[in-house]
Amino acid sequence: GAGVSQSPSNKVTEKGKDVELRCDPISGHTALYWYRQRLGQGLEFLIYFQGNSAPDKSGLPSDRFSAERTGESVSTLTIQRTQQEDSAVYLCASRRQAGGPPGTDTQYFGPGTRLTVL
Amino acid sequence: DAKTTQPNSMESNEEEPVHLPCNHSTISGTDYIHWYRQLPSQGPEYVIHGLTSNVNNRMASLAIAEDRKSSTLILHRATLRDAAVYYCILRGAGGTSYGKLTFGQGTILTVHP
Repeated sequence: GAGVSQSPSNKVTEKGKDVELRCDPISGHTALYWYRQRLGQGLEFLIYFQGNSAPDKSGLPSDRFSAERTGESVSTLTIQRTQQEDSAVYLCASRRQAGGPPGTDTQYFGPGTRLTVL
Repeated sequence: DAKTTQPNSMESNEEEPVHLPCNHSTISGTDYIHWYRQLPSQGPEYVIHGLTSNVNNRMASLAIAEDRKSSTLILHRATLRDAAVYYCILRGAGGTSYGKLTFGQGTILTVHP
């Protein structure tokens, strides 16, 4: 079946502009995550959505970053007034459901959006 | 989630087995050991996970030490397509850590033809 998709695949923007990144999770997956990966680095957690629960925003680096999710479908990550340090690959992942033995969940990642801020 | 330690890089020849080590000396009794890998220009993909017993699947095997303070991901016959960054991650049993994965630097695996 279809995997996690993200758009755009590449985004080049000028410093100070706002950008919006989109994630389409696997159908039926209730949990959705955003991560950021700077060049040559591991992934940094940004935000987590689970059903209708309040999202875990503990990883958002500043108030310029925000994310929304409509029900159990599409999510958008918005970065306002972009800075050069925001340049990175932004990865989205989804998971089928909460529950099951804790610690056994598997996340499915999209290909990422490469953001370059000039 | 507890911390893991992996070598920065490893090399292998095609068709040979590869053993990727991971140390997790502060693992708790309910932490699962997960492995993900990230091929060039792609998002990470799940490889395998386990709790106490060794595990096998179509991609790899996971050998877990008896004291659970270390584990080894085994690729039985490396191919060029296995060249990737391999991440060893501990997944807690709940609380505020439930859900997100904490990625370290991982091991860069190079496979030579």
